[in-house]
Amino acid sequence: DIQMTQSPSSLSASVGDRVTITCRASQSISSYLNWYQQKPGKAPKLLIYAASSLQSGVPSRFSGSGSGTDFTLTISSLQPEDFATYYCQQSYSMPGITFGQGTRLEIK
Amino acid sequence: EVQLVESGGGLVQPGGSLRLSCAASGFTFSSYDMHWVRQATGKGLEWVSAIGTAGDTYYPGSVKGRFTISRENAKNSLYLQMNSLRAEDTAVYYCARVRSSSWTWDFDYWGQGTLVTVSS
Repeated sequence: DIQMTQSPSSLSASVGDRVTITCRASQSISSYLNWYQQKPGKAPKLLIYAASSLQSGVPSRFSGSGSGTDFTLTISSLQPEDFATYYCQQSYSMPGITFGQGTRLEIK
Repeated sequence: EVQLVESGGGLVQPGGSLRLSCAASGFTFSSYDMHWVRQATGKGLEWVSAIGTAGDTYYPGSVKGRFTISRENAKNSLYLQMNSLRAEDTAVYYCARVRSSSWTWDFDYWGQGTLVTVSS
């Protein structure tokens, strides 16, 4: 199975900060990488698909980059509603989908 | 409006069975691949199963042989039959839709989840 490792596991930041979350795959996954946001008690929400494509309706402050084994999710200017947990997901080894362990983004 | 509504969760003893349902509305259900994803309390997301539009099914090793995903397009419904349940199957189970034209199996709509608790 392809392992996905996110860093950091948790992060404290302030409104207006630029934040970057990293996801590393245990082997090359090309661009088969998606990002989700999850708030407590809610289902995940798709933010980025295919490593860098912004899902419809998602604010442009969210962006994704990377290919191969290293990927990043960047929030250019944190808003209060962005404090949540973020997950990466690979689907290169379909049908074996795996998620990262999550990055919890907290208010400083 | 796209909606996915799960049901069927509850408390079951180890070794028991449970059948989850996901009622879909607001889109042409038969045209979409569908998945189940679970999340233990305080833990991350774990993929559980997938079914394609042609009825092809996929499972990770952790549930293969115990869980069965199925769909009934005439009823716009997705199912997950879970047998030989273990304590580690305790989680919130979400059904999720694969985004149209996706080649990365990303999930654009999710249900609200249904809680399955396996305990004696």
